[in-house]
Amino acid sequence: QITLKESGPTLVKPTQTLTLTCTFSGFSLTTSGVGVGWIRQPPGEALEWLALIQWDDDKRYSPSLKSRLTITKDTSKNQVVLIMTNMDPVDTATYYCVHSDDNSGYRFDSWGQGTLVTVSS
Amino acid sequence: EIVLTQSPGTLSLSPGERATLSCRASQSVSSSYLTWYQQRPGQAPRLLIYGASRRAAGIPDRFSGSGSGTDFTLTISRLEPEDFAVYYCQQYDRSPQTFGQGTKVEIK
Repeated sequence: QITLKESGPTLVKPTQTLTLTCTFSGFSLTTSGVGVGWIRQPPGEALEWLALIQWDDDKRYSPSLKSRLTITKDTSKNQVVLIMTNMDPVDTATYYCVHSDDNSGYRFDSWGQGTLVTVSS
Repeated sequence: EIVLTQSPGTLSLSPGERATLSCRASQSVSSSYLTWYQQRPGQAPRLLIYGASRRAAGIPDRFSGSGSGTDFTLTISRLEPEDFAVYYCQQYDRSPQTFGQGTKVEIK
């Protein structure tokens, strides 16, 4: 059974850096074709894909946010970390960690419960 | 970037009725890379359909997907109470992958 859980601050101030951790179980990020990504959803709005890291350390980012994002993995801890710099109130959203194993990285077959991050001074 | 336009924005139906949701792409999308997700209130999305027509594990057969090129459809044959939710389509044929804005299926 695959599980993913997001952790990190619930409140950050504008201009601060957000660090979110996804801790997962039920799969290995060293297995060929497996990826872990991040998707966010502002309150009442649609889904927005942010970033993805694959089993072979291939990293992909949303073009519109690429300059602000860094994704890394620690396979020994079964964790993936997303860093987003220069936070703004428009970045207020629920952030989801997702799993993919279809080798594309974009078929999200398991989701974490999400963590709400509010950006406010 | 491929824009996915979902219609209608909101669908008001009664339990037992048939729901037909549309997802139109601004450019042709390979069926292999068109998916549908369901998001119930207060929950994370879950994968419903991938490859335009293949049900994900554990998804009831009242859900079906069809379409090709720029026009894709999600059909729920008979709405159950737990099906009232928001549905998103997604394409990952062309980078960057994109989601539609969602269709809300609400109880009439």
